[in-house]
Amino acid sequence: KNEVEQSPQNLTAQEGEFITINCSYSVGISALHWLQQHPGGGIVSLFMLSSGKKKHGRLIATINIQEKHSSLHITASHPRDSAVYICAVTGGSQGNLIFGKGTKLSVKP
Amino acid sequence: NAGVTQTPKFRVLKTGQSMTLLCAQDMNHEYMYWYRQDPGMGLRLIHYSVGEGTTAKGEVPDGYNVSRLKKQNFLLGLESAAPSQTSVYFCASSYSGRGEEKLFFGSGTQLSVL
Repeated sequence: KNEVEQSPQNLTAQEGEFITINCSYSVGISALHWLQQHPGGGIVSLFMLSSGKKKHGRLIATINIQEKHSSLHITASHPRDSAVYICAVTGGSQGNLIFGKGTKLSVKP
Repeated sequence: NAGVTQTPKFRVLKTGQSMTLLCAQDMNHEYMYWYRQDPGMGLRLIHYSVGEGTTAKGEVPDGYNVSRLKKQNFLLGLESAAPSQTSVYFCASSYSGRGEEKLFFGSGTQLSVL
């Protein structure tokens, strides 16, 4: 079983829709990261959180430490939000990042 | 600031050839990392460095070597490339290596080994 599971694997939405991407993990963590990867592009850090909720523009990230679950929400989605969203946690014996497989989001105009 | 710069962006090798990927960061970060990204898998750590002159193995180190002679540069070498090393390689850096801080990534190197 993967230590970091993301759902869904693929998501197609219409412009303007509210989007939720989920991340569940099975290890104890000190922090959780949400990353964005555009097609053919590099990886950008969106959020890092260890508790509660963070908001940046139309993006909101929440984490529930007790349930070992985090969500990334996108309000009023736009085609430029189309990307792969990756969840990663700091955990394990060495404290290195453990990555999920990513959620591929496509927002249609 | 340029952030994290990787070169080259694309490379095609024949089995058995060697090459070096260069990662440079201008943020005075102590920690640097090399990851590989394969279809259907999460990013996997190849090697990392906690400071100038240090290197350590990650999850998938076999077939790769690294060097950190200068703080700003982290080199990833393939001595004898194999088709299994076809992948997209990402370099990343962070200030202290603690998991509670932001990670900065390069734009990736797409490597094909024929």
